[in-house]
Amino acid sequence: EIVLTQSPGTLSLSPGERATLSCRASQSVSSSYLAWYQQKPGQAPRLLIYGASNRAAGIPDRFSGSGSGTDFTLTISRLETEDFAVYYCQQFGGSPIITFGPGTKVDIK
Amino acid sequence: VQLVESGGGLVQPGGSLRLSCAASGFTFSSWGMNWVRQAPGKGLEWISYISSTSGTMHYADSVKGRFTISRDNADSSLYLQMNSLRDEDTAVYFCARLLAGKIDYWGQGTLVTVSS
Repeated sequence: EIVLTQSPGTLSLSPGERATLSCRASQSVSSSYLAWYQQKPGQAPRLLIYGASNRAAGIPDRFSGSGSGTDFTLTISRLETEDFAVYYCQQFGGSPIITFGPGTKVDIK
Repeated sequence: VQLVESGGGLVQPGGSLRLSCAASGFTFSSWGMNWVRQAPGKGLEWISYISSTSGTMHYADSVKGRFTISRDNADSSLYLQMNSLRDEDTAVYFCARLLAGKIDYWGQGTLVTVSS
């Protein structure tokens, strides 16, 4: 079973600051199948990044993804107030076929 | 693209419930579909996948043998039959479209509460 671990659990930052979120897999994950989602309270998740580094349609360029193998990173270059949310990484193709990380909450300092 | 779940509600432990997801705005029969759930205050948990032709189904261990995923391509609908429900199945259940390993569209979710 592929387990995804995200760190930190909570990130307290101010608007304008840079956020760096980590996702680590227990086994190697194909970069093609590593995605990041944003979820705000009471809403469904929204796809941000797919293929480890590709922004989904309509996602601002302050969001970027990187990494390969077992270590992946989501970076928000300058936090806007609407970016305070929970972020999940997700892999496809292992066992089970889809797994999510436990999430990183980005909250306002 | 629109995915609209229905069928959630309050059910007693050991009971059954059938969730539905009505899809529109895309060619439903061409896409693999999933159910993902989220317990109150918790993270996302993938629970089931069905291929476009219903030829392949996958389940998380937590629901295997109790839940059954199905679809009706003629009606653009996805279903989740949930039997032997437990307290820990209480969650918001999302219908979600899978594209090349990523979930590109989600429904708004339907709440299932298992409680006596």
